[in-house]
Amino acid sequence: EDQVTQSPEALRLQEGESSSLNCSYTVSGLRGLFWYRQDPGKGPEFLFTLYSAGEEKEKERLKATLTKKESFLHITAPKPEDSATYLCAVQGAGEKLTFGTGTRLTIIP
Amino acid sequence: SQTIHQWPATLVQPVGSPLSLECTVEGTSNPNLYWYRQAAGRGLQLLFYSVGIGQISSEVPQNLSASRPQDRQFILSSKKLLLSDSGFYLCAWSSAARAQYFGPGTRLTVL
Repeated sequence: EDQVTQSPEALRLQEGESSSLNCSYTVSGLRGLFWYRQDPGKGPEFLFTLYSAGEEKEKERLKATLTKKESFLHITAPKPEDSATYLCAVQGAGEKLTFGTGTRLTIIP
Repeated sequence: SQTIHQWPATLVQPVGSPLSLECTVEGTSNPNLYWYRQAAGRGLQLLFYSVGIGQISSEVPQNLSASRPQDRQFILSSKKLLLSDSGFYLCAWSSAARAQYFGPGTRLTVL
């Protein structure tokens, strides 16, 4: 059974203080690893897909990386508007995505 | 561009009442469609997915059912709601690109 564990559960950073979120996974035959951002009361917003170890994707202050066992979402010089819950998901052999429980990120002005 | 709609946005229903949540997708053909439930402080739980009209796969045995009467329409139903059906319901679609794109969600409270 595919499993995803995200850490930490919650993270508070000062504005401009860079950090990383972790997503550890076990999956039979990784077809893709996905990062989403979710604001309170809204649906998750797609950020990145990573397909193979060593791959990196960037978008504004966010950079996602992938190894054979985990993925990191690096946040550089975050702003208060980056506050959200960040979700990680993996896709194995079928159509199903397995999600982690997320990291709730708060950026303090 | 593709757009996904869900309604209603919020719903308060008594225990034992029926339920119908609707999801429609615009701007794409033959999408895969998904229903998830998100409970407070928990991850997204896949309830149903569909790869085509009339084709429904159930992931979790429960009080709910799903139907896909048209290519871009996905409906989540219940004949009799339970307290445990309360939660945030999300519809999503995907294509060959495999990333899933989510709708705005429906907040269901069963009293």
